[in-house]
Amino acid sequence: GAVVSQHPSRVICKSGTSVKIECRSLDFQATTMFWYRQFPKQSLMLMATSNEGSKATYEQGVEKDKFLINHASLTLSTLTVTSAHPEDSSFYICSANPRLAGGTDTQYFGPGTRLTVL
Amino acid sequence: QKEVEQDPGPLSVPEGAIVSLNCTYSNSAFQYFMWYRQYSRKGPELLMYTYSSGNKEDGRFTAQVDKSSKYISLFIRDSQPSDSATYLCAMSAGGFQKLVFGTGTRLLVSP
Repeated sequence: GAVVSQHPSRVICKSGTSVKIECRSLDFQATTMFWYRQFPKQSLMLMATSNEGSKATYEQGVEKDKFLINHASLTLSTLTVTSAHPEDSSFYICSANPRLAGGTDTQYFGPGTRLTVL
Repeated sequence: QKEVEQDPGPLSVPEGAIVSLNCTYSNSAFQYFMWYRQYSRKGPELLMYTYSSGNKEDGRFTAQVDKSSKYISLFIRDSQPSDSATYLCAMSAGGFQKLVFGTGTRLLVSP
């Protein structure tokens, strides 16, 4: 249980294009999903918290107009990197909290999407 | 000072050794503590979850939380080469708040 998928797993694009990454909770509903980015040999950096049916909450320093988040349903959140540039190249990972009874804060992570902007 | 401190390693051990991984934290409000394992170019995988202080065991893994010392540990018994990965500690204050991660410790288990 508690499986999270991401698509695509890898994307290479030209500078200036937009890229959409999907995050799905496969066997549970997730009212909240999280988006992280990770640079090589570094830890996860939280970008934003995605809430179903409302606007995402962005961390300080993350450009909300560049990283568009849509949480249209209880099983799907999307991250769109608009007008991508080489410095946006990174490993993007989503996670979701099943919000099980008992109040656990455990998050389950997707396999990640490697974005390379040429 | 970071909220969560974790030695980045690498930690190199021979196969069969007992591995001890640790994190310290400064926020006394943290109540939920997790350990994740991350292989290269993969998403983190939840290994252990602990609420408040105490020990929890699952197979070869044991998680310990000492809230009085603000110190958590993950022990791996009979370590295997397949355990070679980066181990991330994470914690939160509850209420489905965001997790705060350590930097991760890279573990290398040699055959």
